[in-house]
Amino acid sequence: DAEITQSPRHKITETGRQVTLACHQTWNHNNMFWYRQDLGHGLRLIHYSYGVQDTNKGEVSDGYSVSRSNTEDLPLTLESAASSQTSVYFCASSVSRNSGSSGEQYFGPGTRLTVT
Amino acid sequence: QKEVEQNSGPLSVPEGAIASLNCTYSDRGSQSFFWYRQYSGKSPELIMFIYSNGDKEDGRFTAQLNKASQYVSLLIRDSQPSDSATYLCAVSSTLGRLYFGRGTQLTVWP
Repeated sequence: DAEITQSPRHKITETGRQVTLACHQTWNHNNMFWYRQDLGHGLRLIHYSYGVQDTNKGEVSDGYSVSRSNTEDLPLTLESAASSQTSVYFCASSVSRNSGSSGEQYFGPGTRLTVT
Repeated sequence: QKEVEQNSGPLSVPEGAIASLNCTYSDRGSQSFFWYRQYSGKSPELIMFIYSNGDKEDGRFTAQLNKASQYVSLLIRDSQPSDSATYLCAVSSTLGRLYFGRGTQLTVWP
């Protein structure tokens, strides 16, 4: 069955370190997204991609980067981890409808990141 | 600024009752509408999507869309304790990304 996976599921890192969170989907979806979820803020979009070599900034992109070298993967890098980046991170993927709007978006299991 | 508003709740209903969850959105160009269920400590799970005005039923769930009023709702019939979760409304415009509400926490008590 097609799925979307994230690794690691839990990560503890120190302030200032570079961290990369992996996201891999076998849906063959063009669109991939990274969100963070914090109490009181709901889901916030970090970066997204509509296809290979395409990346776009979301509403909370500062301190994060992504690259898309193939259809299946969209790794998220925290350039220099900060305590404010302690959060739960979700990856998601979807197809686009003919109208350009999003089709159904499916989420990975999440990565809980703690920055000490 | 595209906004999606939900009552934060918590919404509490007895087992067997109908739970009604509501969502309004600001972007009149929105074309796709989704409801996600999220259990504590888990990822959002898609339970319903609707693209056209009217009702869409799937088992105990009914999604209702009124584009003129910019309103989408989710009805859960015969609510069960296992339905207790946070329900997220999401709306997509023509650019392929989703805008999420902050969610409504639902508790179904036996």
